[in-house]
Amino acid sequence: NAGVTQTPKFQVLKTGQSMTLQCAQDMNHNSMYWYRQDPGMGLRLIYYSASEGTTDKGEVPNGYNVSRLNKREFSLRLESAAPSQTSVYFCASSEFGDRGRNEQFFGPGTRLTVL
Amino acid sequence: LAKTTQPISMDSYEGQEVNITCSHNNIATNDYITWYQQFPSQGPRFIIQGYKTKVTNEVASLFIPADRKSSTLSLPRVSLSDTAVYYCLVGSYNTDKLIFGTGTRLQVFP
Repeated sequence: NAGVTQTPKFQVLKTGQSMTLQCAQDMNHNSMYWYRQDPGMGLRLIYYSASEGTTDKGEVPNGYNVSRLNKREFSLRLESAAPSQTSVYFCASSEFGDRGRNEQFFGPGTRLTVL
Repeated sequence: LAKTTQPISMDSYEGQEVNITCSHNNIATNDYITWYQQFPSQGPRFIIQGYKTKVTNEVASLFIPADRKSSTLSLPRVSLSDTAVYYCLVGSYNTDKLIFGTGTRLQVFP
């Protein structure tokens, strides 16, 4: 099993350009998440999806859109990139629903620079 | 979601036991405590989770006092490879949202 995969690993954009970050998981998890991590900071939740067909805003959703394409895939789109969106983006998934361990599995991250 | 407070950084030497304490004064009845570890250029990785008293696994122990307003992650006999950032999170069974703070940067020296 590959776990959580993200593409691309690195990306450089100019201000105003758009792009989509892709995420896929092969663990049959219902919940998926997008976080951003700025240098020296913790992770901040952008959007999450509790199940196929549903999405909800996290702490910092402005400037982003998401699509839960199917149970496996959850994409993050920047419509008009800004330098403030320079960050490392992590996708995660978990099997939420049971009372007990709600472990989130993270992908390797996408390092995005907006010039 | 309960806010957590933990030290910004800690130093240790190989072979020592490291205890990282997290404060969560506003923890709710439904909240559980989870610790994640993050190496540079990687996503966080789950270490341990608990609700009360003590939990132990092959990697760490988690101590939670009766009032649950704090918790302590204990790493026995650390090695250089334990150098990482450790996050304490408090989350409810009613939501899958997690709030990551800035974490504790542990540096292990030879």
